[in-house]
Amino acid sequence: EVQLVESGGGLIQPGGSLRLSCAASGLTVSSNYMTWVRQAPGKGLEWVSVLYSGGNTYYVGSVKGRFTISRDNSKNTLYLQMNNLRPEDTAFYYCARDGYFGSGSALDYWGQGTLVTVSS
Amino acid sequence: SYELTQPPSVSVSPGQTASITCSGDKLGYKYACWYQQKPRQSPVLVIYQDNKRPSGIPERFSGSNSGNTATLTISGTQAMDEADYYCQAWDSNTYVFGTGTKVTVL
Repeated sequence: EVQLVESGGGLIQPGGSLRLSCAASGLTVSSNYMTWVRQAPGKGLEWVSVLYSGGNTYYVGSVKGRFTISRDNSKNTLYLQMNNLRPEDTAFYYCARDGYFGSGSALDYWGQGTLVTVSS
Repeated sequence: SYELTQPPSVSVSPGQTASITCSGDKLGYKYACWYQQKPRQSPVLVIYQDNKRPSGIPERFSGSNSGNTATLTISGTQAMDEADYYCQAWDSNTYVFGTGTKVTVL
């Protein structure tokens, strides 16, 4: 059974930093296309970043230069380092696996999400 | 940047058919997928590659994609189908989500 468990969210002041973790079981992070998706309270889904199995990374424009996606193969864990946080980064952050990349892309496994609140 | 547009809301009576559209430039040349999200829950994939259902998704969920519009159809809608629905496509190394549609079963 595949499980993705996020952690690391919390209340942080504007300009601060947080690192989110997504611990995976039942799949190998390094062999998959892994994404972060966020959802501001009461709003829609917004893709944040992807880490391809080959190591390439991509980001939505609003977080480029501030967020970094990475993985630790030994821990089978995906990370999202978030720096210079802004109030508009307040959201639930989900990690998800793209199970169909190469033939469409679709996120078939999702974590439960972790809430990041950026406020003074 | 690529954009996907959905109607904000759709209402349907129990047992009837609900159709949710997702519009984007030449969307029919890409694959579309759909997610269901109930309050305080993570999204669930209900359709991938335009019209395929993952294991465990009821047959009443179906999809199509042509021209500039992808459509999610829920046949014989049940009360448990009341949720937010999002389309999604991949474009130039980005994952694009639609604006979301709230389906209300009256």
